[in-house]
Amino acid sequence: QVQLVESGGGLVKPGGSLRLSCAASGFTFNDYYMSWIRQAPGKGLEWLAYISSRRTYTNYADSVKGRFTISRDNTKNSVYLQMNSLRAEDTAVYYCARRNSDNDDYYALDYWGQGSLVTV
Amino acid sequence: DIQMTQSPSSLSASVGDRVTISCRASQSISRFLNWYQQIPGKAPKLLINGASSLQSGVPSRFSGSGSGTDFTLTISNLQPEDFATYYCQQSYGTPPWTFGQGTKVEIK
Repeated sequence: QVQLVESGGGLVKPGGSLRLSCAASGFTFNDYYMSWIRQAPGKGLEWLAYISSRRTYTNYADSVKGRFTISRDNTKNSVYLQMNSLRAEDTAVYYCARRNSDNDDYYALDYWGQGSLVTV
Repeated sequence: DIQMTQSPSSLSASVGDRVTISCRASQSISRFLNWYQQIPGKAPKLLINGASSLQSGVPSRFSGSGSGTDFTLTISNLQPEDFATYYCQQSYGTPPWTFGQGTKVEIK
């Protein structure tokens, strides 16, 4: 079955850096786009970034553009989020999620990890 | 960026009730609208994509409708496990794929 497991969260000082990882299993990883989404404590969901299946295309929310970088290693079935210049407002649970297949008519995030807490 | 506005932000309902949640986009998004359910402490779960297509394993008491700018999620015969927060999300064109602010469904 599809599994996404995030790791790398923790406590970091303002201005610091952190790298989140998301290990995928149960599907052909290099066939799917992947995304990162976050949720601040008691708040709603905020889409952050995504990366195409072959790493040729990335896109970011304005709130993290220039500070965060999404990447992937298809040989390790993993996607990453490098977070630099962290601010207090970046405190959140960070989720990785899979975008559904190119064969679907409408795109959605069909599988999510359990989340990793980042506290700045 | 496309803004998504949900209403109401919260509601109270009883088991067996029919519940309707609305979502409005700031511009036409055709049917590129998804609904997610989030139980406290858990990751969001995709319920519906393409405005009305139920995901495999999602009970048929959940349904979605709409196109363009106005969309609705309906839960008929509300069950105890349905008390959660529901989010709409648009996936029209290139990202950012914005979410609505959420609707919390609470027990009356």
